Amino acid sequence: DTAVSQTPKYLVTQMGNDKSIKCEQNLGHDTMYWYKQDSKKFLKIMFSYNNKELIINETVPNRFSPKSPDKAHLNLHINSLELGDSAVYFCASRPTSGGSSYNEQFFGPGTRLTVL
Amino acid sequence: GESVGLHLPTLSVQEGDNSIINCAYSNSASDYFIWYKQESGKGPQFIIDIRSNMDKRQGQRVTVLLNKTVKHLSLQIAATQPGDSAVYFCAEANTGTASKLTFGTGTRLQVTL
Repeated sequence: DTAVSQTPKYLVTQMGNDKSIKCEQNLGHDTMYWYKQDSKKFLKIMFSYNNKELIINETVPNRFSPKSPDKAHLNLHINSLELGDSAVYFCASRPTSGGSSYNEQFFGPGTRLTVL
Repeated sequence: GESVGLHLPTLSVQEGDNSIINCAYSNSASDYFIWYKQESGKGPQFIIDIRSNMDKRQGQRVTVLLNKTVKHLSLQIAATQPGDSAVYFCAEANTGTASKLTFGTGTRLQVTL
């Protein structure tokens, strides 16, 4: 029943490790996003994919690599985790057809990443 | 750089009163504005949006006002309820840029009984 889902919900790991966060949407949307929310609640876009093609890359370190195996999934892999990567990561999706809510983005529940 | 900001970080209102949350934006190219509500431990949830060719839009208990002259956006919540307690974000986008949303810093709304 969940529209945009993320796994895991919580992720605690050591500095230097590599980890992945998965996102799936069952809304039939073509565009998906990753956002990072810091401890001050500031939300910033990281990446966007449209039909498996990268369309937005917001000067994110190349330790972060998004992967979209199909248009319903957008995973985020992070290499060599650093303390500053600790944040809540949100996946979102958006329909690309027209309409009154053309640009509404639907957010997942978030993944809280803690790097020790 | 371009930014979207809020005047008040925390707003406390009594149950039943009306709430007004303000937002300033600086990108004159933005043509779409959205308000999101984020409850504790959850992802942002869409409340209402408005395009730059409008200056007012109403939803259920919520109204968004857009003043392009001063680049100001506000969210009005009528008869505020305890369930309205959350962090509210305004966001702007240029629909020609893959709907990249630029979020403001957020306002925490606290509803007191």
